[in-house]
Amino acid sequence: GESVGLHLPTLSVQEGDNSIINCAYSNSASDYFIWYKQESGKGPQFIIDIRSNMDKRQGQRVTVLLNKTVKHLSLQIAATQPGDSAVYFCAEKSRYRWGGSEKLVFGKGMKLTVNP
Amino acid sequence: DTAVSQTPKYLVTQMGNDKSIKCEQNLGHDTMYWYKQDSKKFLKIMFSYNNKELIINETVPNRFSPKSPDKAHLNLHINSLELGDSAVYFCASSRGTSEYNEQFFGPGTRLTVL
Repeated sequence: GESVGLHLPTLSVQEGDNSIINCAYSNSASDYFIWYKQESGKGPQFIIDIRSNMDKRQGQRVTVLLNKTVKHLSLQIAATQPGDSAVYFCAEKSRYRWGGSEKLVFGKGMKLTVNP
Repeated sequence: DTAVSQTPKYLVTQMGNDKSIKCEQNLGHDTMYWYKQDSKKFLKIMFSYNNKELIINETVPNRFSPKSPDKAHLNLHINSLELGDSAVYFCASSRGTSEYNEQFFGPGTRLTVL
């Protein structure tokens, strides 16, 4: 079956440190991955995505790394700020049952706490 | 200016009741979704509609019935509520069903069944 999981359920860092959030996925056919951030009381918000023909993609203070060999995804946040405190989810696009529509399969989520 | 809105934000009800959650998006998107997030923050898709047509139905009990009166709205009706239905329900929308269309999520509806 499909599963996308995170190695660390919680992570606490100091403001200004770099944070790394890891994720493992099981569907080797997946070719598109997304990181979402969910702040308390809000819905998930898109951070960054990566296609399987890439192994690295950079955004503003965030970098996503994809290692297809070991089916591993990571999100790096540079100079972590208190506003980065949230639950982070990795997700993969998976084809629904008999083809056609795509659906998001989310990992378990990891809570990042940034201490001032 | 809210892109995806849901009502109500909180819903507390007794077991056995029937309730509805409403969702509206003003992004002009064709595809809308319902997700359920449990107490452990696990987020799982329930339904998806594209142009008012049901395209994803993920082994959800038939007590849950989505309805899309138009492309901008997707409502979720739940019959005979059970304790296990307590969760946060998120609506989302995207431009289409293809792989690279970003999904925009609403603020969630916290359902508590007593």
